[in-house]
Amino acid sequence: EADIYQTPRYLVIGTGKKITLECSQTMGHDKMYWYQQDPGMELHLIHYSYGVNSTEKGDLSSESTVSRIRTEHFPLTLESARPSHTSQYLCASSVLRGGRSYEQYFGPGTRLTVT
Amino acid sequence: KNQVEQSPQSLIILEGKNCTLQCNYTVSPFSNLRWYKQDTGRGPVSLTIMTFSENTKSNGRYTATLDADTKQSSLHITASQLSDSASYICVVSDRGSTLGRLYFGRGTQLTVWP
Repeated sequence: EADIYQTPRYLVIGTGKKITLECSQTMGHDKMYWYQQDPGMELHLIHYSYGVNSTEKGDLSSESTVSRIRTEHFPLTLESARPSHTSQYLCASSVLRGGRSYEQYFGPGTRLTVT
Repeated sequence: KNQVEQSPQSLIILEGKNCTLQCNYTVSPFSNLRWYKQDTGRGPVSLTIMTFSENTKSNGRYTATLDADTKQSSLHITASQLSDSASYICVVSDRGSTLGRLYFGRGTQLTVWP
């Protein structure tokens, strides 16, 4: 089992609220990722980070922002939540294996519902 | 366009039976292919990872195969158990960047009935 944690696991909030989804890993991985997943659909990369002070937007446009001040911590923030943000958010981190492939480890996810 | 297609979309089998899930991809240049198991409400957990030179890889009752020429992979589950009920996701990585960009399929939802 991977040492990557997400809190909260479930969150129901009203429209317009600011929220931060927490993600932390204790494996010392440099690369971290945020994915968004709707039921029955594929994961979409929304943010990633190569290391401290490095953040990039992913394939899927997202109104969320991220920060990477410490290696082990990669929080995601929504300044003003909307119902369209309702989804599952998965955090992951990765390590290089055998010099050729990146094994990604996923957290348990945060199920966000915006009413 | 880099894509990963999985079939069937859903599958119901009886406990103890075998099943095979399919994955076709168009990702290029190819780096590796992974199969993940995702329980409902949880994050995906890696089952196998195969590079270009590997044809098959096993993890307990799970056996994955890869045909890099036809760009197809399969995941075979032997003697299914109730705990195998989950979504199985095929993920392909390209060699185009140091990020190890992943392309995800939509998954096959497997239900094992007693």
